[in-house]
Amino acid sequence: NAGVTQTPKFQVLKTGQSMTLQCAQDMNHEYMSWYRQDPGMGLRLIHYSVGAGITDQGEVPNGYNVSRSTTEDFPLRLLSAAPSQTSVYFCASTKEDLGGYTFGSGTRLTVV
Amino acid sequence: AQKVTQAQTEISVVEKEDVTLDCVYETRDTTYYLFWYKQPPSGELVFLIRRNSFDEQNEISGRYSWNFQKSTSSFNFTITASQVVDSAVYFCALRAYTGGFKTIFGAGTRLFVKA
Repeated sequence: NAGVTQTPKFQVLKTGQSMTLQCAQDMNHEYMSWYRQDPGMGLRLIHYSVGAGITDQGEVPNGYNVSRSTTEDFPLRLLSAAPSQTSVYFCASTKEDLGGYTFGSGTRLTVV
Repeated sequence: AQKVTQAQTEISVVEKEDVTLDCVYETRDTTYYLFWYKQPPSGELVFLIRRNSFDEQNEISGRYSWNFQKSTSSFNFTITASQVVDSAVYFCALRAYTGGFKTIFGAGTRLFVKA
């Protein structure tokens, strides 16, 4: 049971480049979310999904896109990377809407 | 709007001391859920506990205990007889029923436990 798998673990991008952070879970969890973690600011919600085909915006959605074509996968796309998007990104999932999250190990992204 | 405040940025204690991490939340919902997570120095995030707004019973799990008080909108976390392995960042989080599935986190409290 792999849990929540995030790839890559580290990434350096140049300003203006685009990329996709991958997130996959093998626990048949309906609910998935993307957070970014910045020093002193805790975890801020970017986008979330309550099931395949259903996504919604969180607190800081600008500059990011998501889709949920399958229950297992919830990729996060950076459309045109900016230095302000330098952060650690966490994907999380839970089986029920009231449940605690299982988190992935994170992706450390640096935009130069 | 939902908000979670963890006013203690960093706390430093000596091993075996008791320590309480404060969490104050804001929501207009009457149905909501509160969570605590731990992030040790290795960086992973670990779920510790969930409480719903209708259950104000305190909970104890080993050296960990949680005190939920609706009257003060607080959900505080106490570690009894702290150990070096408790050193981590601890996050409090809120999910309100009418907020959809949005879970809002506080800024976290970094706990240092010295031997």
